[in-house]
Amino acid sequence: DAGVIQSPRHEVTEMGQEVTLRCKPISGHDYLFWYRQTMMRGLELLIYFNNNVPIDDSGMPEDRFSAKMPNASFSTLKIQPSEPRDSAVYFCASSLEIATDTQYFGPGTRLTVL
Amino acid sequence: AQTVTQSQPEMSVQEAETVTLSCTYDTSESNYYLFWYKQPPSRQMILVIRQEAYKQQNATENRFSVNFQKAAKSFSLKISDSQLGDTAMYFCAFMNAGGTSYGKLTFGQGTILTVHP
Repeated sequence: DAGVIQSPRHEVTEMGQEVTLRCKPISGHDYLFWYRQTMMRGLELLIYFNNNVPIDDSGMPEDRFSAKMPNASFSTLKIQPSEPRDSAVYFCASSLEIATDTQYFGPGTRLTVL
Repeated sequence: AQTVTQSQPEMSVQEAETVTLSCTYDTSESNYYLFWYKQPPSRQMILVIRQEAYKQQNATENRFSVNFQKAAKSFSLKISDSQLGDTAMYFCAFMNAGGTSYGKLTFGQGTILTVHP
């Protein structure tokens, strides 16, 4: 199994630009999670999906952030417009069953907004 | 809300020795899961070990074991025969098995472990 795949691994953009982060979960996993990691706030859950449906987006910081999961094998996290404070590592994770299985993380995308 | 506290920002250990990383958590729930994740310099988050709160037996995975004290809300990780590849940031994490936080992982601040040759 290839594990959770994220792209790009690194993204550098300028303030005000749109940024799209991509994730392919492990095949057969029904749950997908987006996390953000910063020095100040540590690891925090942004949103998660069950069978492509958003279940809890209470961690999404503001309307500039949006996430979609058009099918079972693909999800995007979009920031529009981006700001320097969005600079962080963004992780995608997937799990088979939400509480009885472990969340497996992708390698992360390091985002730098200048 | 659940909180997870790792009181040791940094730890170091000599190769082949044993080290214990501390973690405490606060919850009013009775059914939950606890995890230790490892984040090496590559920044990949790797599961080390997990513990179900309803199980009294401490989880073990090869050189890694936990000391789960439910009444004290303590979940420490012991690494035996430390190896250079164990150098990483270690995160303790809590997951509710029910309620409004169902399925959400809450992470501690992390402990940087350095294994010296």
